[in-house]
Amino acid sequence: AQSVTQPDIHITVSEGASLELRCNYSYGATPYLFWYVQSPGQGLQLLLKYFSGDTLVQGIKGFEAEFKRSQSSFNLRKPSVHWSDAAEYFCASGDLETSYDKVIFGPGTSLSVIP
Amino acid sequence: GAGVSQSPSNKVTEKGKDVELRCDPISGHTALYWYRQRLGQGLEFLIYFQGNSAPDKSGLPSDRFSAERTGESVSTLTIQRTQQEDSAVYLCASSRRGSETQYFGPGTRLLVL
Repeated sequence: AQSVTQPDIHITVSEGASLELRCNYSYGATPYLFWYVQSPGQGLQLLLKYFSGDTLVQGIKGFEAEFKRSQSSFNLRKPSVHWSDAAEYFCASGDLETSYDKVIFGPGTSLSVIP
Repeated sequence: GAGVSQSPSNKVTEKGKDVELRCDPISGHTALYWYRQRLGQGLEFLIYFQGNSAPDKSGLPSDRFSAERTGESVSTLTIQRTQQEDSAVYLCASSRRGSETQYFGPGTRLLVL
């Protein structure tokens, strides 16, 4: 069965430090992948997405993610975290060939930022 | 419209009552999704519509849950005989055919007492 895992339930980083949130997907010869952010009291916002082409994807708010097929991973990174980045982050994946339009979300990683 | 809208934004109900949650997708978006998010947890897929047909109902937790959609427009998620474990935020998202990016509504926060 298709699944998306985010091994880290909660991460705490200091403001200005670098960040990497992990995501692994378990299916799909032709996966497409997303990262969404959910800030407290707000809806889900798309940070970035990967469909094909360059495996390093740039998103909004200074985030980037790298697709690694050999590791079935799509980790999210940011070189310097800001206090406003504290939020819940969700990785999501679908497969263009087998489950067009259906996207599975991971359980989320909660990010706390300390001064 | 400018975005996905959902109503009501909050709903408090008594155990055993039925509730209806509404989702208005972005105009022109053919795909519509319902998710459930329990407090402190991730998104749980419920059902997906392509147009007014539902090719995937695999996420509906029980036969108390049902959903329908009128054409490529409004969708209603109905929960019958609500239970306390149904308390959650119910999120709706829509996407345009050929673009798998989902746009989310603000959610309906359901509390079953």
